[in-house]
Amino acid sequence: IAGITQAPTSQILAAGRRMTLRCTQDMRHNAMYWYRQDLGLGLRLIHYSNTAGTTGKGEVPDGYSVSRANTDDFPLTLASAVPSQTSVYFCASSEGEGNQPQHFGDGTRLSIL
Amino acid sequence: GQNIDQPTEMTATEGAIVQINCTYQTSGFNGLFWYQQHAGEAPTFLSYNVLDGLEEKGRFSSFLSRSKGYSYLLLKELQMKDSASYLCAAVDSNYQLIWGAGTKLIIKP
Repeated sequence: IAGITQAPTSQILAAGRRMTLRCTQDMRHNAMYWYRQDLGLGLRLIHYSNTAGTTGKGEVPDGYSVSRANTDDFPLTLASAVPSQTSVYFCASSEGEGNQPQHFGDGTRLSIL
Repeated sequence: GQNIDQPTEMTATEGAIVQINCTYQTSGFNGLFWYQQHAGEAPTFLSYNVLDGLEEKGRFSSFLSRSKGYSYLLLKELQMKDSASYLCAAVDSNYQLIWGAGTKLIIKP
């Protein structure tokens, strides 16, 4: 079944550790996105990529980095995790930018202690 | 600044009709999305409006007024499975999505 796969599903991490959240899509979508979702705040864009080889900063990029070496994969790295990064992280993709519907992965629930 | 406003929570009865409102203020406008998100799950696409008017899709309809910066999602013949959060998101001039915090819809039998 075509779609987006995120891994891990959930993770508990000690503060200061490095963590990479994985995201893979098989729909050959050009654009990919990373969001965090916190209670009462809605979805906030961390980083995005409009096409393989390019990335951009979203609303809350500090403490996070991404890469887009190919069309399918868009990993998100926390270089040194802090408790404020405790959240649910969603990866999404769309055929093109902005006004194309985004398809979401099932999310990664990350707790930083 | 850019902003999306929608009610935090609404309650409705099974079989009834409910209207979820969304107002937006963005730098430029390239359309508005509605997504549904069940608790603990990913958001799923419901509708996209870029022109004024009502678009109907089964039990769900979405309306847009660009001059008023206003949209609503209309859900008819409510079912228990419609209990979810409904997210409004506007597309700005840079084709970035500005997301509302979501409206939690509670359906009572």
